[in-house]
Order: sequence, then structure tokens, then C-alpha cells
Amino acid sequence: GQQLNQSPQSMFIQEGEDVSMNCTSSSIFNTWLWYKQDPGEGPVLLIALYKAGELTSNGRLTAQFGITRKDSFLNISASIPSDVGIYFCAGRKYSGGGADGLTFGKGTHLIIQP
Amino acid sequence: DTAVSQTPKYLVTQMGNDKSIKCEQNLGHDTMYWYKQDSKKFLKIMFSYNNKELIINETVPNRFSPKSPDKAHLNLHINSLELGDSAVYFCASSQVRGAGNTIYFGEGSWLTVV
Repeated sequence: GQQLNQSPQSMFIQEGEDVSMNCTSSSIFNTWLWYKQDPGEGPVLLIALYKAGELTSNGRLTAQFGITRKDSFLNISASIPSDVGIYFCAGRKYSGGGADGLTFGKGTHLIIQP
Repeated sequence: DTAVSQTPKYLVTQMGNDKSIKCEQNLGHDTMYWYKQDSKKFLKIMFSYNNKELIINETVPNRFSPKSPDKAHLNLHINSLELGDSAVYFCASSQVRGAGNTIYFGEGSWLTVV
């Protein structure tokens, strides 16, 4: 099946550093979403992107929908301990009678050292 | 109030048993999904229903049978459980079958087959 290439797979950073992660795909998506998953919890939506080129911020988070519609990045500025978790990109496309479910990247494990 | 709620959160059962996971959403959404997250944290869609109609049925064993009594509920029944079924199962929902609408997840059901 279709997959998204998400990188990096894991990141070990110091508190206060900026973080950047991205996803690429061989096919086009109509929507890009970024989720965060804490241990023992379900994925929580961080940012949703609906238009190619769109740049959206949510607090210290910024994400962009690539112009080609085949990629997206997520930046986190001035990381804090509660940013620890797994970040997933997900793409959604519209096909025929309706949207497919989400296709997920394999996640970026973010670990922050105080 | 929890938007997408699923029960049980934890389930430990023996091989060969039949079990069900229930899901309810109070968001008024039209579409509901079941996703499976494996031990490597990879999330993959299993099924989606729109207004009680099966839309997506990925390649999963036919021991897995979703049932949607109404658009606010999507239950997952699993027959003859196998060791490889151990995973986290997430229910999710979205408003309409359109690419512009985001998907919200429940907190997950941790299934362990022994």
C-alpha cells in the first residue's frame, strides 16, 4: 500500500532547540495533517493543511503544505519537555465518491533532554 | 466530554476467543474508521463507514467484522483471535467524506492476545 516517507525517524535534542521534520510522498494528497501521540493515548491533531503552499501556525508549531502537494514539513520552535512524543504526518486524498482514510508516515520520535 | 470514546481501553484475552471493541462519537460526524497500530507504531486504516455504509475495507482477515448500528457508533468484532492480532486499535471519525475535513481519534484499545 501507499506510504509516506517521514524523517527523521527519531530526534534527540536539548530543551529550547528548534525541531524540524518532514514527509514526502510519491503521490498527491489534498490534505496534509500533523498529529502527536503521547504514550498510552491516541493521535491528537496539531495542524491541518488544505491548500498547496499553505503555511499554518499553531503556537510554537508551524507546518506547510508543499507546492507539489507531495510533501509537508512541521517545525517546532523552542522545544519544551512536554513536546516529547511521536509526531505523525498523514495525507488524505479525494477520490471518486469521497475521501479515503488517512495514510500515515511512520512517525518521528522526539526526545528532549533538559 | 470525550469526542471519540472507545471501550475497553485494555483487553487481554486468550487465543481463539472472540472479542469486541466498541466506539462512539458525539461529534455528529458522518464517517467513522478503525485503524490498527502495530508494535512499531505504524498506523494503518482497516475500515471506514459513512452513515452506516461500509466504504473502505482494507485487506484484513475476515475474522475482523465491523458493525455500525448508527452513524455515531462503529464496533469492531474479532473472531478466533490470534497472537498477531495484538496491537492498539483506534477508532476515529470525521464530519463528511471530503478531503477538507480532519479526522479525530479515540484514545485507543490495547489488545493483547496470549
